[in-house]
Amino acid sequence: DVVMTQSPLSLPVTLGQPASISCRSSQSLVYSDGNTHLNWFQQRPGQSPRRLIYKVSNRDSGVPDRFSGSGSGTDFTLKISRVEADDVGVYYCMQGTHRPYTFGQGTKLEIK
Amino acid sequence: QVQLVQSGAEVKKPGASVKVSCKASGYTFASYFMHWVRQAPGQGLEWMGIINPSGGSATYAQKFQGRVTMTRDTSTSTVHMDLSSLRSEDTAVYYCARGDILTTYPPGVTNYWGQGTLVTVSS
Repeated sequence: DVVMTQSPLSLPVTLGQPASISCRSSQSLVYSDGNTHLNWFQQRPGQSPRRLIYKVSNRDSGVPDRFSGSGSGTDFTLKISRVEADDVGVYYCMQGTHRPYTFGQGTKLEIK
Repeated sequence: QVQLVQSGAEVKKPGASVKVSCKASGYTFASYFMHWVRQAPGQGLEWMGIINPSGGSATYAQKFQGRVTMTRDTSTSTVHMDLSSLRSEDTAVYYCARGDILTTYPPGVTNYWGQGTLVTVSS
């Protein structure tokens, strides 16, 4: 199985400051069609996960442009340009290139 | 609007089976894949498998092979996930999550998730 490794696992951030989460995969996530199926999910406390980013850098409808995704091959990053109180929760990367799909361990973002 | 409404919480004894249901509405049920993902208490997310609601074929993560069965009922736009030989480690919240349209491969997990169903396995 493809192992997804996130860092950091805990991310205390001051309101209004930027935040960055790294995700590395144990194999390339480039699919045979040339697409890279790397997604980012946000899970607020007590809620179901919500997808923020698909195929590395595409924001889902309704996701603020403060959120951006980048990367290629095996190294990916989720950035939040200015953290707001509403961003508190756990963030997961997930690969959808290789079966079984696998998630990172999660990064808990909290406000300092 | 797309909605996925799951069945209620379950408490099961070790060795028993559980069936979790996910009723879809707001879209053409048979045109989109459906995934199942679970989350043990305080833990991360784990993908279990995927079903094609049109033909009913399903693919499971190796970890669950032989214990999980995903089925669908097109007359009620509902998918079901059966997990057998339950053990304490199966205590988790189980989510259904809509996948991409059937013409998309590989079928991603999209932005539509059920509310989750807590399954507790305890003697």
